[in-house]
Amino acid sequence: EIVMTQSPATLSVSPGERATLSCRASQSIRSNLAWYQLKPGQAPRLLIYGASTRATGIPARFTGSGSGTEFTLTISSLQSEDFAVYYCQQYNNWPPLTFGGGTKVEIK
Amino acid sequence: EVQLVESGGGLVTPGGSLRLSCATSEFTFSSYSMTWVRQAPGKGLEWVSSISSSSSYIYYADSVKGRFTISRDNAKDSLYLQMNSLRAEDTAVYYCARDILIFGSSGAFDYWGQGTLVTVSS
Repeated sequence: EIVMTQSPATLSVSPGERATLSCRASQSIRSNLAWYQLKPGQAPRLLIYGASTRATGIPARFTGSGSGTEFTLTISSLQSEDFAVYYCQQYNNWPPLTFGGGTKVEIK
Repeated sequence: EVQLVESGGGLVTPGGSLRLSCATSEFTFSSYSMTWVRQAPGKGLEWVSSISSSSSYIYYADSVKGRFTISRDNAKDSLYLQMNSLRAEDTAVYYCARDILIFGSSGAFDYWGQGTLVTVSS
């Protein structure tokens, strides 16, 4: 099973600032990585797939990068609606599909 | 607009059973693999089970294997999860999700429902 590790667990950022979230895989997953945004009471939202491809309708301020075992999600200028929990997920080698533990982006 | 709506959650005693449904609309359901993912209170996301478009391929997490059964009815555009021998650790919000690939199973999901809460408690 591929273990996904996200850091930090919590990120405190002021609106308008940049947020950088990290995700590490326990073995190479090439570029088979997705990022999701979760808000309470809402459906999870796909942000990025293929490590760097923005999903339909996702603003350009969300950028995914990396390959192999190290990945990053960057939110260039945080908007109020971006405060949420973010999960990375590998789909290179499954089952099982595995998610990281999440990073909570909170208002500083 | 693509829609996925889960139902069937509720309170059940340990050892009991529950059947979740996911009603879908505004896309060709029979062309997509579908998946159930859950989130326990205060925890992260956990993959539960996936089924291919024609039900040819079915996968389960070890934590539910032998207790849960995923199925689909392409004529009704619906996905199901039969949950038997429920345990306290199965308490979670259960989401259904659509694979991003048409006629394939990538393992990434572009549309999700809002979830249905399952509580296993005596």
